[in-house]
Amino acid sequence: DTAVSQTPKYLVTQMGNDKSIKCEQNLGHDTMYWYKQDSKKFLKIMFSYNNKELIINETVPNRFSPKSPDKAHLNLHINSLELGDSAVYFCASSQDPPAMYGYTFGSGTRLTVV
Amino acid sequence: EDKVVQSPLSLVVHEGDTVTLNCSYEVTNFRSLLWYKQEKKAPTFLFMLTSSGIEKKSGRLSSILDKKELSSILNITATQTGDSAIYLCAAFQGGSEKLVFGKGTKLTVNP
Repeated sequence: DTAVSQTPKYLVTQMGNDKSIKCEQNLGHDTMYWYKQDSKKFLKIMFSYNNKELIINETVPNRFSPKSPDKAHLNLHINSLELGDSAVYFCASSQDPPAMYGYTFGSGTRLTVV
Repeated sequence: EDKVVQSPLSLVVHEGDTVTLNCSYEVTNFRSLLWYKQEKKAPTFLFMLTSSGIEKKSGRLSSILDKKELSSILNITATQTGDSAIYLCAAFQGGSEKLVFGKGTKLTVNP
């Protein structure tokens, strides 16, 4: 299946732990993104990478670090997890130019920090 | 600061009703506006609008962009319970090529 796939789908962890969320797309897209959706369903961009190069880095605590080993993968590593990090994290990808093609979203990772 | 505002935030209707969802945007170097439908999981693409005044249709859904008013509407006619979802509006900001999302309209269609 051609898609944007994220793993894991659910992640429950304790405060202070370090965790990673993986994202892979087999659509041949050049740009990948991480968005955070809070409890009020508000989607906010965190990062974007184009061909392994960081393009957008919004005001995100530096406990969050994206890693792009190749243009088909964009992983999100989170250090020292806090309660406020609980949210659904969506990975997305787009063909260039994104404004013409829009995004394809992954199915999300629900992170719960306890 | 770039922003996208949607109204209403929530809406409850009966099957068969027609609804209009509103979206206004203030985005630097606006490029295009997108509508997404989000049920339980990932937002799924509905429409992309780049030109003012040209209606896009897909079945019972239609949408139009007004660049003069910096706004867009999404119409759903003859609503069905399967239309219950959060409808997200997003505007592309030129330069950074990032999508700025509104907070969504939660639509509930009752039988």
